[in-house]
Amino acid sequence: GAVVSQHPSRVICKSGTSVKIECRSLDFQATTMFWYRQFPKQSLMLMATSNEGSKATYEQGVEKDKFLINHASLTLSTLTVTSAHPEDSSFYICSARTSGRAFGYNEQFFGPGTRLTVL
Amino acid sequence: DAKTTQPNSMESNEEEPVHLPCNHSTISGTDYIHWYRQLPSQGPEYVIHGLTSNVNNRMASLAIAEDRKSSTLILHRATLRDAAVYYCILRRFYGGATNKLIFGTGTLLAVQP
Repeated sequence: GAVVSQHPSRVICKSGTSVKIECRSLDFQATTMFWYRQFPKQSLMLMATSNEGSKATYEQGVEKDKFLINHASLTLSTLTVTSAHPEDSSFYICSARTSGRAFGYNEQFFGPGTRLTVL
Repeated sequence: DAKTTQPNSMESNEEEPVHLPCNHSTISGTDYIHWYRQLPSQGPEYVIHGLTSNVNNRMASLAIAEDRKSSTLILHRATLRDAAVYYCILRRFYGGATNKLIFGTGTLLAVQP
């Protein structure tokens, strides 16, 4: 299937700092990407949907000023956790949706996730 | 979004078939049934999807009830590597706000050697 990468795979930061996570679709173009968050032993929670070249749409309860999303190209979306606090520690997973037919039309593929730990 | 109901956990023995059920009684005509699985500390992996007819691929088979209110993911011969959380998700095919994957709690599959 299509490959989605994330960088970094894990990051540890101090409280109050900002952390940027990159999500790339390696072998296809994605006009739409999604960001999820997963706490231990819980399911994935959709945070936001980003469309290339436009502002992200956030799910209810997700602070858009805290979780900045940029989708500047068809293969790259970034999530910046601003002024991170220990409660932001989580597993962040991105997903990219295919827009062509190479890997199936309108299918979502997921990255490997980024483990964020805020001290 | 239409909701799905899955058992919290299931157990299987290695090399035996596994049938993972999913109920989706409020499914609409434009909802596709998707299955993803998630291994520990990894992102979800696509398994299979279907609309009305049963589907087969190299990973699994998907059996869809005639009224589409339930479906079953079939792993023909479970291996230890199949131990994961399996998610059954409904997704509308056309674009727009509903065309996104919303995860439920899934079924944790344990495979015993």
